[in-house]
Amino acid sequence: AQSVTQPDIHITVSEGASLELRCNYSYGATPYLFWYVQSPGQGLQLLLKYFSGDTLVQGIKGFEAEFKRSQSSFNLRKPSVHWSDAAEYFCAVEAGTNAGKSTFGDGTTLTVKP
Amino acid sequence: GAGVSQSPSNKVTEKGKDVELRCDPISGHTALYWYRQSLGQGLEFLIYFQGNSAPDKSGLPSDRFSAERTGGSVSTLTIQRTQQEDSAVYLCASSLFGGQGSDTQYFGPGTRLTVL
Repeated sequence: AQSVTQPDIHITVSEGASLELRCNYSYGATPYLFWYVQSPGQGLQLLLKYFSGDTLVQGIKGFEAEFKRSQSSFNLRKPSVHWSDAAEYFCAVEAGTNAGKSTFGDGTTLTVKP
Repeated sequence: GAGVSQSPSNKVTEKGKDVELRCDPISGHTALYWYRQSLGQGLEFLIYFQGNSAPDKSGLPSDRFSAERTGGSVSTLTIQRTQQEDSAVYLCASSLFGGQGSDTQYFGPGTRLTVL
């Protein structure tokens, strides 16, 4: 079965600093991988996804993520955080055999200090 | 509307009552998904529709939960004899084709259910 771990429950960074949110997955083959953002009172928005090809994926709002098969990781990065990036971030995995059934991590809450 | 809509946005009910949650997907999207988000946790997959049929119902927590989709559009999630542990935000998503991870899911704002 597929699973996702987000080791950091809460991260605080200063505005303008760089950000890395960790995500580790468990699945035997290459999965589909996603990062979503959820702002307070709003639904989830897809930031980026990986399903094949280049292991460095560019997303919206200046985010990127790198798929590392050897580490079973798909960490989310942003070089310079803005106050509006404060939100909850979810990593998700979908196995090819479970098409349509995404498994989500428990989320990482990002606080941005002025 | 341009996005996925859900109604009601908030629902407070008494233990033992039945509730119906509605999802209107993006027009033309063939796939529809229901998730549950409990406080402080990630999303839990409930059910997935391809058209009007549900290939995967494995996430439904119990037989008190059921869902249907009609006309390849609107979906209703019904919870019978609600329990306090059913309190959560219920999220709906839709995607154009479904059945593959490369297909982007678009999420609605959710229905917050509180069972007293």
